[in-house]
Amino acid sequence: LAKTTQPISMDSYEGQEVNITCSHNNIATNDYITWYQQFPSQGPRFIIQGYKTKVTNEVASLFIPADRKSSTLSLPRVSLSDTAVYYCLVGGGNAGNMLTFGGGTRLMVKP
Amino acid sequence: GAVVSQHPSWVICKSGTSVKIECRSLDFQATTMFWYRQFPKQSLMLMATSNEGSKATYEQGVEKDKFLINHASLTLSTLTVTSAHPEDSSFYICSAPKTGTQKHNEQFFGPGTRLTVL
Repeated sequence: LAKTTQPISMDSYEGQEVNITCSHNNIATNDYITWYQQFPSQGPRFIIQGYKTKVTNEVASLFIPADRKSSTLSLPRVSLSDTAVYYCLVGGGNAGNMLTFGGGTRLMVKP
Repeated sequence: GAVVSQHPSWVICKSGTSVKIECRSLDFQATTMFWYRQFPKQSLMLMATSNEGSKATYEQGVEKDKFLINHASLTLSTLTVTSAHPEDSSFYICSAPKTGTQKHNEQFFGPGTRLTVL
């Protein structure tokens, strides 16, 4: 499984756009890039997934350059409730594959 | 989205006792479930893969005789921490992949179980 590298922590203020970049230099051809969000004392929750280019849903955007060796999760206009740990995971598309979590990025949104 | 539940949400026990944690997929069947452990301020560490109808697969360094896993049905996996000690105090989380979704290998996580061993 490809290893991922993310900043340990980030601070932001309400209303700002937050971009969290993840490096995955050893990503394989059949790997997808998936981001999960975890609040304290809760299980992680799926945010967004992509393979290449840009993906957008109701909560975030995911930017993936052509070489796919990195990806950027973009959270528009964050609020206090976006304070959480964000994990970038890279892996194959087969259901039932285990997920390997890296260190994650602890985002703190301040008022 | 799919729902995965865990029971109990928290448990406090004395050292030397055994604790059972249940993980249920409420609205879908899961032939595979995963158990993770998370210490404070740390990431999730995969402990084992629970397989319905067969033995669990444990990650390196995880004692299979201490962390007993039983995947009794397509919607239930249990993790039993035997002879628990204070160092087993942690946040235990299960997950289950759901087939047929548009997302690749999307996992649905339970809310976690906080185990405190006195």
